[in-house]
Amino acid sequence: KAGVTQTPRYLIKTRGQQVTLSCSPISGHRSVSWYQQTPGQGLQFLFEYFSETQRNKGNFPGRFSGRQFSNSRSEMNVSTLELGDSALYLCASSWGKNTEAFFGQGTRLTVV
Amino acid sequence: QQQVKQSPQSLIVQKGGISIINCAYENTAFDYFPWYQQFPGKGPALLIAIRPDVSEKKEGRFTISFNKSAKQFSLHIMDSQPGDSATYFCAANENQGGKLIFGQGTELSVKP
Repeated sequence: KAGVTQTPRYLIKTRGQQVTLSCSPISGHRSVSWYQQTPGQGLQFLFEYFSETQRNKGNFPGRFSGRQFSNSRSEMNVSTLELGDSALYLCASSWGKNTEAFFGQGTRLTVV
Repeated sequence: QQQVKQSPQSLIVQKGGISIINCAYENTAFDYFPWYQQFPGKGPALLIAIRPDVSEKKEGRFTISFNKSAKQFSLHIMDSQPGDSATYFCAANENQGGKLIFGQGTELSVKP
């Protein structure tokens, strides 16, 4: 059974640009959550999608957005990139509410 | 209210020893408490999880102890091995979907 797949693995962008990250969940999982991981702030919840609807949202500015498609694949977008957006972005999938969440390997975003 | 506090920040244990990592929470609505293990360059991997209706759960060398009245839970790694050297995160979830609140992490080093 394939795990959670995130693409790309690494990304370098310039300040002010926008970026789109992709996440393919484990087959059958309908919930996809996104997290930002930095050395200073640790793992912080961005948002969760379930059946194409945003179910939860963390405390991030509106520059961070996401969506989920009918096949449960999800994308997150960050517009007007700032240096502080440099982080490991992790996607987790789960079957549904309050069930085991499995993480992908993450996308390492560097903003220069 | 949403925080999960984890300690210690770093831990050095001799091979064969017991590693103990502690977490505390405030939100009594949390009802699912997973532990994740993360190696450098990898996403977090689910290790073991517990719900508040049990006080202890054991899987192999890993045990979670849960104290509902004290709002604390801990991870015990028995017979610690150098291969266990990683960063460990506790987390908590309120029954509202896939939003996990993570502790700050503990960097474990097991010396041979």
